[in-house]
Amino acid sequence: EVQLVESGGTVVQPGGSLRLSCAASGLTYSVYWMSWVRQAPGKGLEWVASIKPDGTKTNHVDSVEGRFTISRDNGMNSVFLQMNSLRAEDTAVYYCATSNFFFRYWGQGTLVTVSS
Amino acid sequence: SSVLTQTPSVSVAPGQTATISCGGDHIGSTSVHWYQQKPGQAPVLVVYDDSDRPSGIPERFSGSNSGNTATLTISRVEDGDEADYYCQVWDSSTDHWVFGGGTKLTVL
Repeated sequence: EVQLVESGGTVVQPGGSLRLSCAASGLTYSVYWMSWVRQAPGKGLEWVASIKPDGTKTNHVDSVEGRFTISRDNGMNSVFLQMNSLRAEDTAVYYCATSNFFFRYWGQGTLVTVSS
Repeated sequence: SSVLTQTPSVSVAPGQTATISCGGDHIGSTSVHWYQQKPGQAPVLVVYDDSDRPSGIPERFSGSNSGNTATLTISRVEDGDEADYYCQVWDSSTDHWVFGGGTKLTVL
């Protein structure tokens, strides 16, 4: 059974930093693009960032470019999202997902709240 | 970059057919994927590559894609199908993944 388990979500002040983690099991992790997708309260899904299987290429949505960085550790079957200069509008549930063109497997999400 | 437009809400009686559309310029020239999300849960892939179903997804869920509109069709709708549905494409011009705004399906 494929499992993706996110961690690291919490309450953080505007301007602060946070690192999210996602641990994968039950799949051949090293062949998958991995992504972070977020959902603000009461809103729709928004793709945030993706990373190639070997980690040599990343993509980020324009609204987080320069503030968020996706990375991965294939030895640990894990993907990370380093979030800096956080803003109120970054408040959301953050999901990690496999993303070879579409998002087949999803985690249950971790809540990030940016508030003073 | 791609912009995907979905009708905010669709209502259908049990046993009837629900049609959920996703509009975009020349969307028919790319692959479209669909997700179901129930309250408090993670999204679930229900259709990929326009019309393929992952294992475990009922045959009642089907998809099509042509011209400027992709469509998710749910036949013989059940109460358990009530959820938000999102379409998604991969934009090869920007290497970005794009979601539609979502459609809330209400079963009357």
